[in-house]
Amino acid sequence: QVQLVQSGSELKKPGASIKVSCKTSGYSFTTFTINWVRQAPGQGLEWMGWINPNTGNPKYAQDFTGRFVFSFDTSVNTAYLQISSLKAEDTAVYYCARSLGSSWSDYWGQGTLVTVSS
Amino acid sequence: SYVLTQAPSVSVAPGKTATITCGGDNIGKKAVHWYHQKPGQAPVAVIYYDNDRPSGIPERFSGSNSGNTATLSISRVEVGDEADYYCQVWDRTSDHVIFGGGTKLIVL
Repeated sequence: QVQLVQSGSELKKPGASIKVSCKTSGYSFTTFTINWVRQAPGQGLEWMGWINPNTGNPKYAQDFTGRFVFSFDTSVNTAYLQISSLKAEDTAVYYCARSLGSSWSDYWGQGTLVTVSS
Repeated sequence: SYVLTQAPSVSVAPGKTATITCGGDNIGKKAVHWYHQKPGQAPVAVIYYDNDRPSGIPERFSGSNSGNTATLSISRVEVGDEADYYCQVWDRTSDHVIFGGGTKLIVL
């Protein structure tokens, strides 16, 4: 069965970096785009962008350029979200979700809580 | 950039029909997808491409999309339907996915 399993919660200090993983199984990894979605505490869903493991091309939403990097490793069917120079406002749950191109997301990871605090 | 507008909350009595709307400029020309999200859980798709249901989603969930409004309807509402509901589209102009702000469904 299709699964997207994300890495565990993290507590980081401001200025640090983090790499969240999204390990997939149960389907052909390069067939589906991986989306990244942020949800700040008590807030709605915010699309961060996506990466196409077939082409390698990432797309970043306007608010997620510069400090945010999407990557993947096809040898382990895993996508990654790296955030550098963490700020308190990066505190959120980060989700990965697969979609067929720009279509709907049919499977989601369980979410990774990132807390940025000194 | 393209904006989707949802009411913050909708209240409905058990057994009645809940209607959750998603407003956007000419949204009827776009494919709309709907997700629900319960506290502490990941979102789950309940409607895709305006009115298709993923497997496992009850027939009580339906959608429509025309003009400037897309609608998610939930008939015979149950207490277990309480959740936040989000609409989503892909905006071709920006090549971005857009989420609505979400509507909290309250079952009284």
